[in-house]
Amino acid sequence: GAVVSQHPSRVICKSGTSVKIECRSLDFQATTMFWYRQFPKQSLMLMATSNEGSKATYEQGVEKDKFLINHASLTLSTLTVTSAHPEDSSFYICSAGDRLSGNTIYFGEGSWLTVV
Amino acid sequence: DAKTTQPNSMESNEEEPVHLPCNHSTISGTDYIHWYRQLPSQGPEYVIHGLTSNVNNRMASLAIAEDRKSSTLILHRATLRDAAVYYCILKNFGNEKLTFGTGTRLTIIP
Repeated sequence: GAVVSQHPSRVICKSGTSVKIECRSLDFQATTMFWYRQFPKQSLMLMATSNEGSKATYEQGVEKDKFLINHASLTLSTLTVTSAHPEDSSFYICSAGDRLSGNTIYFGEGSWLTVV
Repeated sequence: DAKTTQPNSMESNEEEPVHLPCNHSTISGTDYIHWYRQLPSQGPEYVIHGLTSNVNNRMASLAIAEDRKSSTLILHRATLRDAAVYYCILKNFGNEKLTFGTGTRLTIIP
C-alpha cells in the first residue's frame, strides 16, 4: 500500500532553537497533507492542513508563526517548530490521502520532539 | 463533523474474537465509517472502512447496523500484536481531514 514517511523519527533540541520535520508521500502525490500533534495518553489533534503551492490552513488555537508549514512539492511537506519550548515536546504525525486508492488516508510513523 | 462514541478500554484474551463497538447516531448519508488503529509510539494505521454493507479484509471485518447509527469492528482472532488504540472515525468521501476521538484502548491478555 501507499507509504508516508517522516523524518526524523526522534529529535532533541534546545529551548529557543527551531527544528524541522519532513513528511513525504513515497509512492503517490499528495496536494494536501495534514499535521497532527499528540501528547502522551491523548488522542491526535489536528494542527493544520498543508496545501501544495499555497498557504497552510491552521486549526483554531494553533500559532501559524510558531508552526511553519511548507508544501513545496506534491510529495513533501515540512513542519518547522520555531523558537521551541519544552511545552512543544510532543509526538508529531503527518497524513496524506492517496486519491488513486479510494482516498484512503495514510499516516507517517510520527516524530518525537523533545525540547530541553 | 459527526461524532463517534467508543468505550475507553476493552480487554480480550489472545486467540479469541474481539468486537469493538462504535456509536455514530448523527452520521450523515455521505459519511463513510473508517477504523484506524495506533500501536504505541507509531502513527495510526488504516484498518478498514465501509458505507452501508459489511466489509471484510485481511485485518478485520466491519459490521454496520442497518440504520448506520452504529458499527462494530471485529478482529477474528486477537494476537498480542493487536494491542492498540482503535479509532472509529466518520469521513466524507473526498475529505481527507480526519477528526480523532478518544478511541478504545484494546488490551490483549496472553
